[in-house]
Amino acid sequence: GAVVSQHPSWVICKSGTSVKIECRSLDFQATTMFWYRQFPKQSLMLMATSNEGSKATYEQGVEKDKFLINHASLTLSTLTVTSAHPEDSSFYICSAIAGQGGVSGRAHEQYFGPGTRLTVT
Amino acid sequence: AQSVTQLDSHVSVSEGTPVLLRCNYSSSYSPSLFWYVQHPNKGLQLLLKYTSAATLVKGINGFEAEFKKSETSFHLTKPSAHMSDAAEYFCVVSDGPGTYKYIFGTGTRLKVLA
Repeated sequence: GAVVSQHPSWVICKSGTSVKIECRSLDFQATTMFWYRQFPKQSLMLMATSNEGSKATYEQGVEKDKFLINHASLTLSTLTVTSAHPEDSSFYICSAIAGQGGVSGRAHEQYFGPGTRLTVT
Repeated sequence: AQSVTQLDSHVSVSEGTPVLLRCNYSSSYSPSLFWYVQHPNKGLQLLLKYTSAATLVKGINGFEAEFKKSETSFHLTKPSAHMSDAAEYFCVVSDGPGTYKYIFGTGTRLKVLA
């Protein structure tokens, strides 16, 4: 149990276009999802926290108009990189938290997706 | 504020020898602590977690970690390294009860020599 998927696993887009990344919890309901970005050989940086049915909370320094997050259901959150530029090229990873007791009684543990490699040319 | 410090950015060991990856934490409350592994171009896999139960935590693939409150440490160990253990390892502390956010360490790259 506790599987999180991301789609696509990798994407190449041209500068100025927008790209959407999906994060799905496959076998549990995710009350909260997180979006991270990871530059090569660096740690994960939290971008934002999204709660189902409400606006995402962005970390300091993250442009909310550039990185649009929608958490429309308990199993799906999307990250849209708008007007992408080469400096947005990165590895984007989502994670999800089950409601209390949602996954074998384990509350608050984050379950990570496999990541999406974005390359902007 | 909570934080974690991974004391080594790179660790090299020979295959079959012990592994020690060091992590110190700072927390104003009783923390939850995790170790994750990331292989190249892959997502994160949970190795083990401490959530205020037994201080010696056993994880997958022969890894274990000991929570030492007096030393504010949560070092990851394995008795015998395998080539497949070569990866990036992250020590993580939860940001506090109720927030669910994670604070990641900067990572330790483990290299296993044949």
